[in-house]
Amino acid sequence: EIVLTQSPATLSLSPGERATLSCRASQSVSSYLAWYQQKPGQAPRLLIYDASNRATGIPARFSGSGSGTDFTLTISGLEPEDFAVYYCQQRSNWPLTFGGGTRVEIK
Amino acid sequence: EVQLVESGGGLIQPGGSLRLSCTASGFTVSSNYMSWVRQAPGRGLEWVSVIYSGGVKYYADSVKGRFTISRDNSNNTLYLQMNSLRAEDTAVYYCARVYITIFGVVTWAFQHWGQGTLVTVSS
Repeated sequence: EIVLTQSPATLSLSPGERATLSCRASQSVSSYLAWYQQKPGQAPRLLIYDASNRATGIPARFSGSGSGTDFTLTISGLEPEDFAVYYCQQRSNWPLTFGGGTRVEIK
Repeated sequence: EVQLVESGGGLIQPGGSLRLSCTASGFTVSSNYMSWVRQAPGRGLEWVSVIYSGGVKYYADSVKGRFTISRDNSNNTLYLQMNSLRAEDTAVYYCARVYITIFGVVTWAFQHWGQGTLVTVSS
């Protein structure tokens, strides 16, 4: 099973600042990595698939990069609605696995 | 508009059974790749099971042999039959639709999600 490790666990930032979230895989997942945003009491929302492709309707301030074992989700300027928990997910091998999440909180 | 609505959750004793339903609208379940994903209270996401459009099924090791994914084409509904339930199965269960690009690439990312249904396994 591929283990995804997200860091940091919590990121404290102010609106307008740039957020950089990391996801590291225990073995190569090529570019088969997705990112999700989840707010309290809501289902996850797909942001990025295949490492760098924005899903439909996702603002351009969200971008993904990386390949192999190291991936990054960048939010170029935090909006108030961006404070949430973010998860990465790999689809390289079964079972599909998720990272433990990064909470982006208001500083 | 694509919509997924789960139902069937509740409080169940250890060793009991429960069947979750996910009724879809705006698309055809049988033509898509559909999954169940769960989230224990205060925890992260865990993939549970998938059914391909062609009927192939996969399960997480933690539920293999106890859970069964299926679908009813006439009702456009996805199911998860859960047997021999354990305390560690307590979670919100989401059904989700896998995103397929306009070029037909199966991304195995989950584009559409239901609101979730809570399953609590406790005596």
